[in-house]
Amino acid sequence: EADIYQTPRYLVIGTGKKITLECSQTMGHDKMYWYQQDPGMELHLIHYSYGVNSTEKGDLSSESTVSRIRTEHFPLTLESARPSHTSQYLCASKGYEDGSEQYFGPGTRLTVT
Amino acid sequence: KNQVEQSPQSLIILEGKNCTLQCNYTVSPFSNLRWYKQDTGRGPVSLTIMTFSENTKSNGRYTATLDADTKQSSLHITASQLSDSASYICVVSALWTGGGNKLTFGTGTQLKVEL
Repeated sequence: EADIYQTPRYLVIGTGKKITLECSQTMGHDKMYWYQQDPGMELHLIHYSYGVNSTEKGDLSSESTVSRIRTEHFPLTLESARPSHTSQYLCASKGYEDGSEQYFGPGTRLTVT
Repeated sequence: KNQVEQSPQSLIILEGKNCTLQCNYTVSPFSNLRWYKQDTGRGPVSLTIMTFSENTKSNGRYTATLDADTKQSSLHITASQLSDSASYICVVSALWTGGGNKLTFGTGTQLKVEL
């Protein structure tokens, strides 16, 4: 089982609130990712990081921001949540080798009312 | 544009029966193909990985095949169990000009196993 954790697992919050979704891994992986997934739809990459102080935007435009101050920690922040941000957010990490497996966290189900 | 298409979109089978899920892709340059199992409300978990030179790979009751010429893969589940109920996602990795790999995800096949 992968050692990658996400908190909270479920979050219901009102419009305009600032939220931070936490993701941490204990595998020492340099590469970390955030995906957004709507029910029955494919995963879309919104942010990734190849190491400390490295962050890049993914394929899907997102109003969220990320930071990578420590190798094991990759939090995602929404400054002002909106109903359109309602979705499942999945964090993942992988080792340095190109063919290595990408391990996923359990996800955070976000609902903005 | 890199794409991964899966079929069927959803499937209901009786416990103990076999089933086969399909994946067609147009990803290039191809690096590898993985099948993931995603339980409801959980993150995906890798079942198999196949590179260009591999035709088949098994993981318990799961057997994946790959035809790199036709760009098709299948996941065969033998003697299905209730715990097999999940979404099965085909993920194809392409070599990225910027270094590393770029993943393209299918929308998944939602499998339900019933008594």
